[in-house]
Amino acid sequence: SAVISQKPSRDICQRGTSLTIQCQVDSQVTMMFWYRQQPGQSLTLIATANQGSEATYESGFVIDKFPISRPNLTFSTLTVSNMSPEDSSIYLCSVRDVYTDTQYFGPGTRLTVL
Amino acid sequence: GIQVEQSPPDLILQEGANSTLRCNFSDSVNNLQWFHQNPWGQLINLFYIPSGTKQNGRLSATTVATERYSLLYISSSQTTDSGVYFCAVESWEGGSEKLVFGKGTKLTVNP
Repeated sequence: SAVISQKPSRDICQRGTSLTIQCQVDSQVTMMFWYRQQPGQSLTLIATANQGSEATYESGFVIDKFPISRPNLTFSTLTVSNMSPEDSSIYLCSVRDVYTDTQYFGPGTRLTVL
Repeated sequence: GIQVEQSPPDLILQEGANSTLRCNFSDSVNNLQWFHQNPWGQLINLFYIPSGTKQNGRLSATTVATERYSLLYISSSQTTDSGVYFCAVESWEGGSEKLVFGKGTKLTVNP
């Protein structure tokens, strides 16, 4: 199974600022995913990030608000831009094992926007 | 898009009790996974089970794909089983594959 780390683990930010979340995987993976989990809610997919191509965003999420980088097969970043209190959530990085179709998640980044 | 419904939404057990969690989905799937989110937020993959039955220790899962449901069984529950259990199924939408999550079952196991 893949081992995924995220930085920061948590942060408290002011309205109007931006935060970049890093995701590092211990093996090369083709597909990486970014999810958002609002307080007390389920997981919602933000975007799929494939190396060497533009990220694919889900309905309701736009690149200007959540720019994603995927410079290589083990690393990705998600930026939450121009934050508002509604962006307070856990943001999770995830990868899929293409041989078993099993999906693994990082520990998450707990973001609070004041 | 595909719909995923989990029941019950909340479950409270005494340590040692058994439980069954259910996941219904609205369309045929090629990928179904069960996850446990512990109280600290970490999501752990329990089973990849698009069909059939699997067991791992005190946990087992069964998916009846033709009837579009999956069951997660927890036997002899322990306080460490507390957390939220999510069912997720794969959806092909817009030409891309993605996991769609149910709303989860929150399990509390009391000592």
